[in-house]
Amino acid sequence: AIQLTQSPSSLSASVGDRVTITCRASQGISSAVAWYQQRPGKPPTLLIFDASSLESGVPSRFRGSGSGTDFTLTISSLQPEDFATYYCQQFNSYPLTFGGGTKVEIK
Amino acid sequence: QVQLQESGPGVVKPSETLSLTCTVSGGSMSSYYWSWIRQSPGKGLEWIGYIYFSGSTNYSPSLKSRVTISVDTSQNQFSLTLTSVTTADTAVYYCARLGVAGELFDYWGQGTLVTVSS
Repeated sequence: AIQLTQSPSSLSASVGDRVTITCRASQGISSAVAWYQQRPGKPPTLLIFDASSLESGVPSRFRGSGSGTDFTLTISSLQPEDFATYYCQQFNSYPLTFGGGTKVEIK
Repeated sequence: QVQLQESGPGVVKPSETLSLTCTVSGGSMSSYYWSWIRQSPGKGLEWIGYIYFSGSTNYSPSLKSRVTISVDTSQNQFSLTLTSVTTADTAVYYCARLGVAGELFDYWGQGTLVTVSS
């Protein structure tokens, strides 16, 4: 199974900050990565697919990039509603796997 | 708007079988893959498996020996059975729809906590 390693596992940031989360795959997976946001007590919601395509309705401050083994989710200007946990997911091959998550907390 | 809702017991005894059902509303099950994912308390997400609307399945190797997913399109439902549970199976169980390519989770249920305890 393809392993996804996210870093950092948590971070503290302020409203308006630029935040970057990375996801590294254990083998090359082209652009077959998605990013999800999960707020406490809620299911994840899809933000980004195909590494860099924004899901409909997702604010443009979210940006995904990368290919091969290294991927990045960037939030250009953190908003109060963005404090949540973020997960990457690969769909290059089965079993589908997720990264361990990055919790974005208020500084 | 597609909606999914999990239902089933909140507590299961060790060594017994966990059974959950997901009811789909607001759309057809046709042409989509229907999946189960779980999240242990304070932990990350683990994909359990999927069933295509026609009945073909794909399971995570780590759970394959204990998992069965079935579908009843006439009732707009699909189900999860996990046998021989242990405390390690305590988790929030989500049902979700995978898009037509079977790659992205685009709709999720709210999740149901299943606790394995005697």
